[in-house]
Amino acid sequence: GEDVEQSLFLSVREGDSSVINCTYTDSSSTYLYWYKQEPGAGLQLLTYIFSNMDMKQDQRLTVLLNKKDKHLSLRIADTQTGDSAIYFCAESIRIGYGGSQGNLIFGKGTKLSVKP
Amino acid sequence: GAVVSQHPSWVICKSGTSVKIECRSLDFQATTMFWYRQFPKQSLMLMATSNEGSKATYEQGVEKDKFLINHASLTLSTLTVTSAHPEDSSFYICSARDRLAGVLPVIQYFGPGTRLTVT
Repeated sequence: GEDVEQSLFLSVREGDSSVINCTYTDSSSTYLYWYKQEPGAGLQLLTYIFSNMDMKQDQRLTVLLNKKDKHLSLRIADTQTGDSAIYFCAESIRIGYGGSQGNLIFGKGTKLSVKP
Repeated sequence: GAVVSQHPSWVICKSGTSVKIECRSLDFQATTMFWYRQFPKQSLMLMATSNEGSKATYEQGVEKDKFLINHASLTLSTLTVTSAHPEDSSFYICSARDRLAGVLPVIQYFGPGTRLTVT
């Protein structure tokens, strides 16, 4: 079955780079996503990457995908205190697989703490 | 764009009563909406997939008669927790998929969540 794994905690100092890692099991995943959840709030889509890409960069965010190892990472450059949140990795399983409608499978989330 | 709202943002109710949570897509039409439950320090658990004009598809282990879902229009889905008990206390989050997004990537836009406390 599908499974997404993430480390639960990451602590960095303000101004440093943060790297959040994720592994997934479904080799048929076509897209992988990073969502951010601030305390008491819903999920905000940060970025996504197509499975045939190795890297995607968007301002301070860099996503790296190693499809062979099924490893996804999110790098946040110049981490700020406002980046403190829980970051969820998610994969979309194929539409029609098991009757799904493009459901997302989420990891448990990585809590990023940024110290001033 | 792509804003999803939920109402109420938090609710406290007595055991045995029913609570309705609304999920609205504000600037797009959503044929598919998803309802999740999130326990403290845990990931999102998909409860059901709601399709406009048809019955919801529930995930294994989710009681259909307890968590009633209605997706009456392209912009509104409701989740009703019937005969609520303290163990139903949780953070409920909905998401919506843009009707026009017929191909990948599947983008789910999330609501801000509803904190339910049953006393």
